[in-house]
Amino acid sequence: EIVMTQSPATLSVSPGERATLSCRASQSVSSNLAWYQQKPGQAPRLLIYGASTRATAFPARFSGSGSGTEFTLTISSLQSEDFAVYYCQQYNNWPPLTFGGGTKVEIK
Amino acid sequence: QVQLVESGGGVVQPGRSLRLSCAASGFTFSTYGMHWVRQAPGKGLEWVAIISYDGSNKYYADSVKGRFTISRDNSKNTLYLQMNSLRAEDTAVYYCAKDLTDGSGTYLFHYWGQGTLVTVSS
Repeated sequence: EIVMTQSPATLSVSPGERATLSCRASQSVSSNLAWYQQKPGQAPRLLIYGASTRATAFPARFSGSGSGTEFTLTISSLQSEDFAVYYCQQYNNWPPLTFGGGTKVEIK
Repeated sequence: QVQLVESGGGVVQPGRSLRLSCAASGFTFSTYGMHWVRQAPGKGLEWVAIISYDGSNKYYADSVKGRFTISRDNSKNTLYLQMNSLRAEDTAVYYCAKDLTDGSGTYLFHYWGQGTLVTVSS
């Protein structure tokens, strides 16, 4: 099973600042890495797939990068609606499909 | 637009069974793989099971293998999760999710339902 590790667990950021979230895989997942955004009381939403392809519903301030075992989600200028929990997920080696533990982006 | 509506959750005693349903609309259900993903209260996401578009292939997380069964009825555009021998650790919100691509799939969770809460407690 591929273990996904996200850091930090909580990220405190001021609106307008840049946020950088990390996700590490226990073995290479190539570029088969997705990011999801989840707000309180809501279902997750697919944000990024293929490590760097942004889903159409999300603005360009969201970007993903990385390959192999190290991945990054960057939010260039945080808006109020971006405060949420972000999960990474690998879909390279399965079953099982595995998620990271999540990073909560909170208002500083 | 894509809609996924789960139902069937509730409070159930340990060892008992429950069947969840997910009614799909807004896309050609019979051409997409479908998933169940769960989230324990205050915890992260855990993939539970996947079924191929035609129902011929099914895979499960080790934590539910042998107890849960995923199935689908393409004539009714509905996905199911039969949960037997339920345990306290199965308590979670259960989401159904549509794969990103049709056919053989990508194993991403493109659209999600709103979830249904299953509570296993005596």
